Amino acid sequence: AQRVTQPEKLLSVFKGAPVELKCNYSYSGSPELFWYVQYSRQRLQLLLRHISRESIKGFTADLNKGETSFHLKKPFAQEEDSAMYYCAQASGNTGKLIFGQGTTLQVKP
Amino acid sequence: NAGVMQNPRHLVRRRGQEARLRCSPMKGHSHVYWYRQLPEEGLKFMVYLQKENIIDESGMPKERFSAEFPKEGPSILRIQQVVRGDSAAYFCASSPPVRSSYNEQFFGPGTRLTVL
Repeated sequence: AQRVTQPEKLLSVFKGAPVELKCNYSYSGSPELFWYVQYSRQRLQLLLRHISRESIKGFTADLNKGETSFHLKKPFAQEEDSAMYYCAQASGNTGKLIFGQGTTLQVKP
Repeated sequence: NAGVMQNPRHLVRRRGQEARLRCSPMKGHSHVYWYRQLPEEGLKFMVYLQKENIIDESGMPKERFSAEFPKEGPSILRIQQVVRGDSAAYFCASSPPVRSSYNEQFFGPGTRLTVL
């Protein structure tokens, strides 16, 4: 079965420090991967998808098929980045998402 | 566009009662997904529906759970004879009618079900 793993439940950094939220997937083909974010008291929203190769709010994520990873990175964390981050993979031909357990990012002033 | 609406936001039920959770997708969206988030866990897929059709219910428990998305009105997730283990946050997401795995799913605020 396909699985998405986020090994860190909580990541705490100081403002201005680099951030890397880890995500590993288990799928032998070409995965369709996403990062979703949930800010305090807001709904879950798409942050970025690997197919777009885009940078959103300074975040990037590179697909590494050799390591089956899709880590989310930002060179300089901001306090407003504090949120819950979920890595997700689209499964099958229905588009249903398989989510990791989530990582809480806490950016301290 | 008001976004995906879910109601109620909070629902308290006693063991054995029925719970009905409603989801109104974004305007123009005809695909609805339901996910469940148990305490301390990530979201888990339950069911995927299009208007009047259940497309994929592979994540639904075999008993007591059902879902529908009628031609008119919201999608309904129904849990009969609730038990304490059903306590969770239930999220609905909708996406546009042209199905693509890269379609963004837009999430509702969730319904938090508490079973006493």
